[in-house]
Amino acid sequence: SQTIHQWPATLVQPVGSPLSLECTVEGTSNPNLYWYRQAAGRGLQLLFYSVGIGQISSEVPQNLSASRPQDRQFILSSKKLLLSDSGFYLCARATGDYGYTFGSGTRLTVV
Amino acid sequence: AQSVAQPEDQVNVAEGNPLTVKCTYSVSGNPYLFWYVQYPNRGLQFLLKYITGDNLVKGSYGFEAEFNKSQTSFHLKKPSALVSDSALYFCAVRVPWRAGSYQLTFGKGTKLSVIP
Repeated sequence: SQTIHQWPATLVQPVGSPLSLECTVEGTSNPNLYWYRQAAGRGLQLLFYSVGIGQISSEVPQNLSASRPQDRQFILSSKKLLLSDSGFYLCARATGDYGYTFGSGTRLTVV
Repeated sequence: AQSVAQPEDQVNVAEGNPLTVKCTYSVSGNPYLFWYVQYPNRGLQFLLKYITGDNLVKGSYGFEAEFNKSQTSFHLKKPSALVSDSALYFCAVRVPWRAGSYQLTFGKGTKLSVIP
């Protein structure tokens, strides 16, 4: 199984509040993991990439950070949310056939 | 830059008619190409891929795609559209990234609407 679990499915947070979105994966160990943001139901923006525990690459400087405390756990965080952080956040893992498997996503609305 | 392009933001097709969602790519070397579908408030689901071999690739839900090297295209097709095919479709290509690794680069997506 290469299932990806993301939670929560929906989140409404006030501006300035902290954020923690969690992604856990099943299957093979040491997967490459990704966080994407999708605004307005359109294109995907790669936010972070991780090849292993404690190894995070950031693609876009912003208000967000990521951590990988365990092999199959990938966390997206913010200390203070902005309105512009609203969007649909997707976690993905690389599969053995060169593609990705995606989680079901988290809809974040910052109010 | 190595990338994919989806020239149409939206495609409308009548139910029962054939559908085509366009994708062109720009990569050096042999391309690894993918199509994904996204239903509202859901993650992306894999439809099909081209790595090597036959230019016509068959995938899930009756979809197929044709790899055309001379036109650098990988258009998604289905002979007879269903209302349930209405969704957002993404084309993607595997590109070299950091330290010998690779990642998928996605097009901006095409919204397919199948009209009853």
